[in-house]
Parts: sequence; C-alpha cells; structure tokens
Amino acid sequence: SQQGEEDPQALSIQEGENATMNCSYKTSINNLQWYRQNSGRGLVHLILIRSNEREKHSGRLRVTLDTSKKSSSLLITASRAADTASYFCATDDNYGQNFVFGPGTRLSVLP
Amino acid sequence: KAGVTQTPRYLIKTRGQQVTLSCSPISGHRSVSWYQQTPGQGLQFLFEYFSETQRNKGNFPGRFSGRQFSNSRSEMNVSTLELGDSALYLCASSPLGTGVSETQYFGPGTRLLVL
Repeated sequence: SQQGEEDPQALSIQEGENATMNCSYKTSINNLQWYRQNSGRGLVHLILIRSNEREKHSGRLRVTLDTSKKSSSLLITASRAADTASYFCATDDNYGQNFVFGPGTRLSVLP
Repeated sequence: KAGVTQTPRYLIKTRGQQVTLSCSPISGHRSVSWYQQTPGQGLQFLFEYFSETQRNKGNFPGRFSGRQFSNSRSEMNVSTLELGDSALYLCASSPLGTGVSETQYFGPGTRLLVL
C-alpha cells in the first residue's frame, strides 16, 4: 500500500478562497515533501518539511506535519486560477531508500 | 542553470520492443531518480543512481533497468515492452547526494505509448 495518501481526491474552490489538502502516511519518515503538477507538465517542488519540524511557510503556502498522527496538511491561501493543478505529497522511508508519492489531490480554482 | 531535460518527449513503440529514455540532470547534481506515472498506479519510484551506481530500487521487474554515466546523465531501458508500460516517465535530479530524501527537480517527462 502507498506510504502517502492525500485527501480529498478532488477539490473545487473559488478564486480568493483557501484550499486545504491532507496527507497521511504509514511509516516513520525523514521528511515529507509537497509537489505540484500542472496538466502536461513535470512536477514542481513546493515545500520540504523535516520530521523534526512542525510547520513551514513559503509565500501563500503553509505546511504542517504531525508525526504522532502521521499526517501533513498543505494550505494554499488566497488561491488563484493558476493554482489549478494536482498536488502530491511524497515521503521517503526512514532509510532514505524509497520515495513514495500519494495519489494526489486535484485542485480546481474557478475564476 | 538549465533544468532537467529528458529525451525524447514522446515515443510510440509496439509490444515486445525495447526502449531507452535519456535524462540530463541539472549541472552539478549527482543523484538521478526515475519515476513512472500512470492513471491507475500514480507516481511510482523506479530507481535512483548516484555516482554511476544504482543506490535504490523500487518494486519493478527486471525488464526495467538503468545506468548513469560519469557526467551524471542517466538512461533508463525497458525491454520486452508490455501494454501496461504505457506511462509518463519522469526523471528527477537532486544536488546534495542524499537522493530521495531531499528536494528533487523534475524534468518534463517522456510519454511512452505501447501499442
């Protein structure tokens, strides 16, 4: 089974609203990363949060990590149409030997 | 710096053939990882190379192989293609040498269609 799983699978919001996506994983990790994939493009790295960190910000993005619950959330504030994409969380295993992506959340931001 | 480049961008093959995909990492990056993306299985880790050695490997059959050259460029080979190998193959490079545990920079991918 997959290490990381996002929730919800799809999310549709209006421009200007906030979007929250959640990720759960199963085993111990070194870090957790969030990536974005626009239709027809490669993956773009958004944020890396280490297992000893609880929160991290980057521009309009805020990521939290709760290792006790094995979960993370990605918050996009004041969303824009350009934020329309699929968002994936990804974790390594505790040995740094494998890298597992969740199935992704498809975000649609409507103008 | 130029980003990760992958060639070719699109490829059509028939069952039973083999295919070789190429990836040039960002200059100075020594770790190269490969991923397969399909609608059904999502993004799956294939393998990671560092200093011309396969360091980590995902759960794929032996038909999937790769190599890395001294200039860090990497190739991935799939032999005896099956219909299920149709996918977007993504290559990623990372700078610090700890491979999958650090930020990875992805190329645009090679879309392979097996008929």
